[in-house]
This record gives sequence, C-alpha cells and structure tokens, in this order.
Amino acid sequence: RKEVEQDPGPFNVPEGATVAFNCTYSNSASQSFFWYRQDCRKEPKLLMSVYSSGNEDGRFTAQLNRASQYISLLIRDSKLSDSATYLCVVANTGNQFYFGTGTSLTVIP
Amino acid sequence: DVKVTQSSRYLVKRTGEKVFLECVQDMDHENMFWYRQDPGLGLRLIYFSYDVKMKEKGDIPEGYSVSREKKERFSLILESASTNQTSMYLCASTTGVVPGETQYFGPGTRLLVL
Repeated sequence: RKEVEQDPGPFNVPEGATVAFNCTYSNSASQSFFWYRQDCRKEPKLLMSVYSSGNEDGRFTAQLNRASQYISLLIRDSKLSDSATYLCVVANTGNQFYFGTGTSLTVIP
Repeated sequence: DVKVTQSSRYLVKRTGEKVFLECVQDMDHENMFWYRQDPGLGLRLIYFSYDVKMKEKGDIPEGYSVSREKKERFSLILESASTNQTSMYLCASTTGVVPGETQYFGPGTRLLVL
C-alpha cells in the first residue's frame, strides 16, 4: 500500500469555481502534513502546511482529519494561475517525507 | 530566501557512464535529500543525509551512491548509468531543527540516458 494516495485527476474547472482535492495516508504516526504546488517542468514549492485545526491562506483552505487519515485542499474562486499539479506530502518523526503522485488542475477561461 | 541549486538543468549521458549530480544549498541546512520523479510514480527518495559524511538509504537506492563532504553540498552518483535511470532528479534541504518541516527544492536535473 502506498504511503500517500491522491486522485491524479485531471481536474478541469472554469475560472471562479471551487475545487477540492483529497489525499489519504497510511501511517497513523505521521507528524507533519503539507500541500506543495508544482508547475510544469519546475520544482515543487510549498503551498501550505496543514494543521489539525485546519488553516486558511486567502483562497486556499487545508484540513486534516487524523481519525480518517486524510488531508484536503480547497481552492475557492479558481484563477487561471492556479493551474498546476498539487502534491500531498506527509512526514514522519524520522524526517522522511512521502509524496503523493499529484493531482493535476487546469483552470479554464 | 533559501536557495538550492543543482549543477545542471538538462543532462544527456550514455549507458555505462558515471554521472555526477551536484546540489548546493546556501542556508546552512543540516538535512539534504535526493529524489527522482517519474510520471505516475511521484517523488521517490533515493538517499538523504543528516550531516556531513552521514547518509541514509531511501526507498530506491539501488544503482546510486551519494557523497556529503561539506555541509552545503550533496552529490548523487550514478556509478554506471542505465536507461531506466532516465528521470527528473530533485534535490531538497531542510534545517533539521524541527522534524517534518518544509522542504526546499532545487530546480531539478532532467537526465536522459541513451
């Protein structure tokens, strides 16, 4: 079983739409959770960390459900510039990071 | 800002060649990582290092070795390149102060082995 699983998509949504991505992880002892964004042919960059209480950064909201072992990312009012691949990342106490395969988002004009 | 640089953006090598991929970070980070990224498989950890001269195998170390002689530099070595090592190679670093903190990535090296 993979450490981290995501729906690869692709998600094609119109500008202004709300879109949600989910991710599940297998290790209940995982400590830290992140969403990274990766543009085509570029390196991954941190979008936001995910906290148990949930956190919001502008149009982006991240949630963590430890009981069900899933993480979500909600993007409101989608912009063309949001088109990218979104990677779910989980880290354990041993400082090892596990990456999902990514969810592809295309925002259509 | 943290800066992680990699020696080459694109590299073409022949089967059997010895290949060196260099990664340098300028923020005095303790931890450095090498990943490869392939379509449908995501990022997979090859090796990581907690300190100078220390290294740990990741999930797919076969066919690779690493070297960390200085804190800022972490090298990935393909002893005898094979076509199945054609991939995007990404280096990353973290401070090592807090477990599971943010990783900072280099721009990646696209390696083609013919």
